[in-house]
Parts: sequence; C-alpha cells; structure tokens
Amino acid sequence: EAGVTQSPTHLIKTRGQQATLRCSPISGHTSVYWYQQALGLGLQFLLWYDEGEERNRGNFPPRFSGRQFPNYSSELNVNALELEDSALYLCASAKNTGELFFGEGSRLTVL
Amino acid sequence: EDQVTQSPEALRLQEGESSSLNCSYTVSGLRGLFWYRQDPGKGPEFLFTLYSAGEEKEKERLKATLTKKESFLHITAPKPEDSATYLCAVAGDNFNKFYFGSGTKLNVKP
Repeated sequence: EAGVTQSPTHLIKTRGQQATLRCSPISGHTSVYWYQQALGLGLQFLLWYDEGEERNRGNFPPRFSGRQFPNYSSELNVNALELEDSALYLCASAKNTGELFFGEGSRLTVL
Repeated sequence: EDQVTQSPEALRLQEGESSSLNCSYTVSGLRGLFWYRQDPGKGPEFLFTLYSAGEEKEKERLKATLTKKESFLHITAPKPEDSATYLCAVAGDNFNKFYFGSGTKLNVKP
C-alpha cells in the first residue's frame, strides 16, 4: 500500500513569490492535515481537510491557504512568501481512528 | 487551555541503558494519544495509539502507557538506531483538535 506522497521534495523561492505544495493521501483516507515544522522546532498545525471541506485552521495568516480535491489529494498554497516561511511542510492523511500517517515532507527555502 | 508537554527535551543514553520519556497533556474530550518517531529531515513515523487510561502497547524495545494525565514511552535496552526525536500527540473533541508536543530528542551512544 502506497504511503502519503508529497511533492516537490525541495522548493526554493524568493520573498514575495508564491509556493504550491501537493499531497496525495493513502488510498481510502479522506482527511488531510498540513503542518509546518521550522528547523529545530515542533509541528505547527496549519490546516485540516476532510471530504473536500476545510474543517479547522491553525493560527496562520490568510496567505496560507489550501484545498482538497474530489480524489482527496490536497494542495497548500503560500502567497507573498516571507523568509520565516522557510520550513519543512508535512502532510498527513488520517484513518477514522485518528492516527495520522505522514509523508516525507516538502522542504521550502525562501531566499 | 489544551496543551501537550514532553520531557525531557533531550536525553542521552548509553546503549542498553533503559529509560522513559514523558508526555503530559490537558485536552478536552481526549479521543486518543499517539506516539511518533521522527528522524532528521523526515516525516514522523507512527508508532502507537492509546485510547484509554491503563492501556499499554509494545513494539520491539518500546512500550507506551497511558494514564488520565500523562503517557510514558519506555525504552528498554536501547540501541543506537533508536536515536531519533519522539513526538507525542493528542486528539480531542472528535478529532477536531490535534496537538503535538515539541518532542524528546533521544541520542543513544554505542
């Protein structure tokens, strides 16, 4: 069974640009979570999608947005990039029992 | 306020030296407590789920336990390959809230 896949693995952008990160959940999982992990820090909750709807949002500005597609894949968009947006962005899909299964992440570097 | 606190922040052990990591939590309507292992630059790897006080789960050298206020991850006779950051997470309110602790960085020396 394929795990959660994220793309791209690495992404380099400059300040003010936009970044789009993509996530494909495990087959049969309808929930997708996005987390930000800055270097050396913990996981900060960004967004939760379930059945195509945004269910919850963390304490991030509106320039962080996303969506979930009918096939349950998801994308995270970060507009007007700032230096402090440099981080590992992790996507996880969830079973209805609550366990999150993570992808390997997308490393975003903002120069 | 809902929160998850892990201790210690870092732990150095000699190979074979058993120890425990702690995860204390306050969350409304606990639906589950989860342990993950994370290697540098990688996504967290799921280890265990605990749903109710008194529950225990084991996997190789790891054993997780749960009380009403905290969970312990016991590591028996660790090996260098057990070196990683161990994360605790709790889900509350019908999984509408999902909180991660800041992790314990474990370093096992040969």
